[in-house]
Amino acid sequence: GDSVTQKEGLVTLTEGLPVMLNCTYQTIYSNAFLFWYVHYLNESPRLLLKSSTDNKRTEHQGFHATLHKSSSSFHLQKSSAQLSDSALYYCALSYYGNEKITFGAGTKLTIKP
Amino acid sequence: DPKIIQKPKYLVAVTGSEKILICEQYLGHNAMYWYRQSAKKPLEFMFSYSYQKLMDNQTASSRFQPQSSKKNHLDLQITALKPDDSATYFCASSQEGHNYAEQFFGPGTRLTVL
Repeated sequence: GDSVTQKEGLVTLTEGLPVMLNCTYQTIYSNAFLFWYVHYLNESPRLLLKSSTDNKRTEHQGFHATLHKSSSSFHLQKSSAQLSDSALYYCALSYYGNEKITFGAGTKLTIKP
Repeated sequence: DPKIIQKPKYLVAVTGSEKILICEQYLGHNAMYWYRQSAKKPLEFMFSYSYQKLMDNQTASSRFQPQSSKKNHLDLQITALKPDDSATYFCASSQEGHNYAEQFFGPGTRLTVL
């Protein structure tokens, strides 16, 4: 079945440093959609980024990610971390025609001053 | 105004009892879902409904029964509650037919079973 792997469970960074959260996935479907959801404390998870186009960078709210189908990766990056970026980040997978989303284990990002 | 309403926000139940978690969405979506997040575990897909019909069920236990009385409602009935059922239950919705399954999540119901 489909699976999403987020190697880092916890990432702690100092404000101003670059952010990179890893995400790899497995699926038999070529028309995969990859997502990053962000879950702030006491809020609902919400979509941060999405992509289905190979090798195309997608950006939103200072974050960016590029889907690489050759390596089945969709890493989340930001050039400079802010305190407000502290949250739980989920990488997720779906594919056209399927409404179910498979979530990774999540990475808790903590940004310190 | 909140687009997805989940009631109650917090719920405490005793082992063996039955509870219903309420979800209403006002986004005009035709697909609704339930997810569960237990302590130290990722979001776990439970059910998906489209046009009030069950599309996918990834929950092994029949103690969990979704109920859709209206297009924009998808409640979750849980019977014979166990302490392991303690989790935050998220309702979500999307517009089926789009070329990506972007889902919008509700605020969650935090269930504690004693």
